[in-house]
Amino acid sequence: GDSVTQMEGPVTLSEEAFLTINCTYTATGYPSLFWYVQYPGEGLQLLLKATKADDKGSNKGFEATYRKETTSFHLEKGSVQVSDSAVYFCALSGAGSYQLTFGKGTKLSVIP
Amino acid sequence: EADIYQTPRYLVIGTGKKITLECSQTMGHDKMYWYQQDPGMELHLIHYSYGVNSTEKGDLSSESTVSRIRTEHFPLTLESARPSHTSQYLCASNERGSQETQYFGPGTRLLVL
Repeated sequence: GDSVTQMEGPVTLSEEAFLTINCTYTATGYPSLFWYVQYPGEGLQLLLKATKADDKGSNKGFEATYRKETTSFHLEKGSVQVSDSAVYFCALSGAGSYQLTFGKGTKLSVIP
Repeated sequence: EADIYQTPRYLVIGTGKKITLECSQTMGHDKMYWYQQDPGMELHLIHYSYGVNSTEKGDLSSESTVSRIRTEHFPLTLESARPSHTSQYLCASNERGSQETQYFGPGTRLLVL
């Protein structure tokens, strides 16, 4: 079945540091890939998505590229802010599926 | 911004009580979902519905039940709450097509004493 593996946290960075959160997946066919963010006390919000190989999703300075050859969708941001402190989830929706398969989440803390 | 609502946001109740967690969306989405999120953050799908009068159990076994009488409304009920039900419950919905984005509500944080 489909699965998502993302790097375990927690991750602590200083403000303005570079962020990478690794995400790899296993799926048949061509899944859609997502990054969701969960701020403290809230539900999940879509951060970015990509629906086909080599697509780059981007939003709020975050970006991720759909790499089919390495089955990866790593999240990056060049300069993190304290307000980026949250839990980040990588997810996929398999070909023809309505459901999401989530990674276990990575907690990011950004300190001033 | 997604128009999906959950009430209550926080609930503290005693063991044995019956509770209903409300979820509603104004986007006309056919597909709705309930997730349970444990303290370690991991999300588990417990129920889903692909339309009115359609409900299915998810990957994680749950003692809760759901109903889908109206498109916009997908309530979750626990007949007799127990401390093991303490968790955060997240409701989500998505559009008709496959592989579409799911939109999440703010969640209900439940504590059973």
